[in-house]
Amino acid sequence: QVQLVESGGGVVQPGRSLRLSCVASGFTFSSYAMHWVRQAPGKGLEWVAVISYDGNKKYQADSVKGRFTISRDNSKNTLYLQMNSLRPEDTALYYCARSVVVPASYGLDVWGQGTTVSVCS
Amino acid sequence: DIQMTQSPSSLSASVGDRVTITCRASQSMSTYLNWYQHKPGKAPKLLIYDASTLQNGVPSRFSGSGSGTDFTLTINNLQPEDFASYYCQQSYSTRYSFGQGTNLEIK
Repeated sequence: QVQLVESGGGVVQPGRSLRLSCVASGFTFSSYAMHWVRQAPGKGLEWVAVISYDGNKKYQADSVKGRFTISRDNSKNTLYLQMNSLRPEDTALYYCARSVVVPASYGLDVWGQGTTVSVCS
Repeated sequence: DIQMTQSPSSLSASVGDRVTITCRASQSMSTYLNWYQHKPGKAPKLLIYDASTLQNGVPSRFSGSGSGTDFTLTINNLQPEDFASYYCQQSYSTRYSFGQGTNLEIK
């Protein structure tokens, strides 16, 4: 079945780095744009970044620009989020999700279960 | 960037009620508006895309409308499983953004 599984979360000190992964199965990964979305404790959903189906176009939210990098390896059906210079406010549950194209009148129709990142000293 | 303003932030209702959630965009964005349902411990679920198109498998008591800057999500005949948080999201720009969310609680 169509599935996204995130991993790589953990507890990290401010200023350190972490790389999240999202492995896709059950669909043609290389045909879809992929997103990262996060939810901080007690807060709403926040869109983080998107990468086009071929990896050539990438966009990030202002809150992570210059610190987070989205990438993908279509040969491994895997999406990544490299997070550098982490801050306490990056503490959140991180979801990966897919969409057909970006921008488009379609939403994010498949989501993973999320991986938790905690940034604290 | 497009800012999304969602209201109300919380809402109390009873089973069988009809509720409406609104979402306003900071600029016109045609019908590039999506609605999600999110329950604790679960992945968000796409309910409606393109402002009014029901995602496969979503019950018909959910409906969406609007275009330009003003959008609404309506849930008719509330069921116990509908009590959750709801978010609008714009997909008009390359940098998607969500509304602040509406927490729908049982009265």
